[in-house]
Amino acid sequence: QVQLVQSGAEVKKPGASVKVSCKASGYTFTDYYMHWVRQAPGQGLEWMGWINPNSGGTSYAQKFQGRVTMTRDTSISTTYMELSRLRSDDTAVYYCARGRHIVGGTGKFLGYWGQGTLVTVSS
Amino acid sequence: DIQMTQSPSSLSASVGDRVTITCQASQDISNNLNWYQQKAGKAPKLLIYDASNLETGVPSRFSGSGSGTDFTFTISSLQPEDIATYYCQQYDNLPITFGQGTRLEIK
Repeated sequence: QVQLVQSGAEVKKPGASVKVSCKASGYTFTDYYMHWVRQAPGQGLEWMGWINPNSGGTSYAQKFQGRVTMTRDTSISTTYMELSRLRSDDTAVYYCARGRHIVGGTGKFLGYWGQGTLVTVSS
Repeated sequence: DIQMTQSPSSLSASVGDRVTITCQASQDISNNLNWYQQKAGKAPKLLIYDASNLETGVPSRFSGSGSGTDFTFTISSLQPEDIATYYCQQYDNLPITFGQGTRLEIK
């Protein structure tokens, strides 16, 4: 069965960076896009971008351009989301979610989600 | 960016009631729309994909309809375990965008 397991909670100071991991299992890691979505406390869902685990190609939401970097390590079926120059309003739960098949475009869009990683930014 | 206008923002209903949530896209998104359920402290769970297809294992009291710009999500008979926040989401164009959510409570 498809599983996405994320790294644990983080506490960071303003201006620092955070790197969240998402380990995939139960499917061929390089066959499906991986997306990142965040949710501030008590707020809605906000899409951050995607990574193609096969090529390493990425697409980021304009809001996060210049601050977010998504990477992957195919040897351990893991994607990473790094957010830099953290501010207090970056405090949120960060989710990875599987996208569609890279080649065929099949599969359910964001049908599988990680459990979420709480990132707290506080001085 | 495509704006997703979801309504109502909150809803109180009784067990057994029929519940309807609507989502309007700011431009034609065909049927590229999902509905999610999110319970407190949990990740979103996919209920309906491609506007009207029921995800495997999801009870049949949940359904979705619509295409183009106007979409509807329905719970035919509300159950206590349906207490959650529900979101629509379009994936027709980047950036992916979500509705603001509907918080569902039991009356």
